[in-house]
Amino acid sequence: EAQVTQNPRYLITVTGKKLTVTCSQNMNHEYMSWYRQDPGLGLRQIYYSMNVEVTDKGDVPEGYKVSRKEKRNFPLILESPSPNQTSLYFCASSSSGTVFPFSYEQYFGPGTRLTVT
Amino acid sequence: DAKTTQPTSMDCAEGRAANLPCNHSTISGNEYVYWYRQIHSQGPQYIIHGLKNNETNEMASLIITEDRKSSTLILPHATLRDTAVYYCIVRAHYGGSQGNLIFGKGTKLSVKP
Repeated sequence: EAQVTQNPRYLITVTGKKLTVTCSQNMNHEYMSWYRQDPGLGLRQIYYSMNVEVTDKGDVPEGYKVSRKEKRNFPLILESPSPNQTSLYFCASSSSGTVFPFSYEQYFGPGTRLTVT
Repeated sequence: DAKTTQPTSMDCAEGRAANLPCNHSTISGNEYVYWYRQIHSQGPQYIIHGLKNNETNEMASLIITEDRKSSTLILPHATLRDTAVYYCIVRAHYGGSQGNLIFGKGTKLSVKP
């Protein structure tokens, strides 16, 4: 089954304790992206990747890191989490990447609910 | 990118067609209309997209007016599982895009038995 998986689904942690949220897709998609969703603010893009070893900042990248060493995986790293990073996080992927024209048909993971105390 | 306007909420009876409108009066010629939905705190789900012709897939139909200033998403036989927030998004396809989807407030569709 074609899918985007995220782990963990729920995480409660403390300020400053490094964590990684994994994202994996089995559709051989070039494009992957991370969003956060907060009440009243909608979904905001954190980082995106057009292909392996190609990543770039989204609209709210501060406090986050990503890497894209393999096509299927796009982990989100919080080096020193803070309470304002408490949010619902979604990973998404799309077959569009470096291939023109770019399409916005994206597939989202189930979400990771992160609480930083 | 063109701004979209959707009703805040709508109700639909189970088994009936749900017609969700979207206004995008400032849409430009190279912008597509996309529809996504989000069932309570789950990941958003792609439904359908189109440029100017009407489109249909296994989930829904998309009707775009001839002037492209508005569109309607049709769920032909709504079920309780279609209760969700539906987002209409207008984006152009072009290379070098950041690829971010900009979700507005959407329409909360409640399907009632």
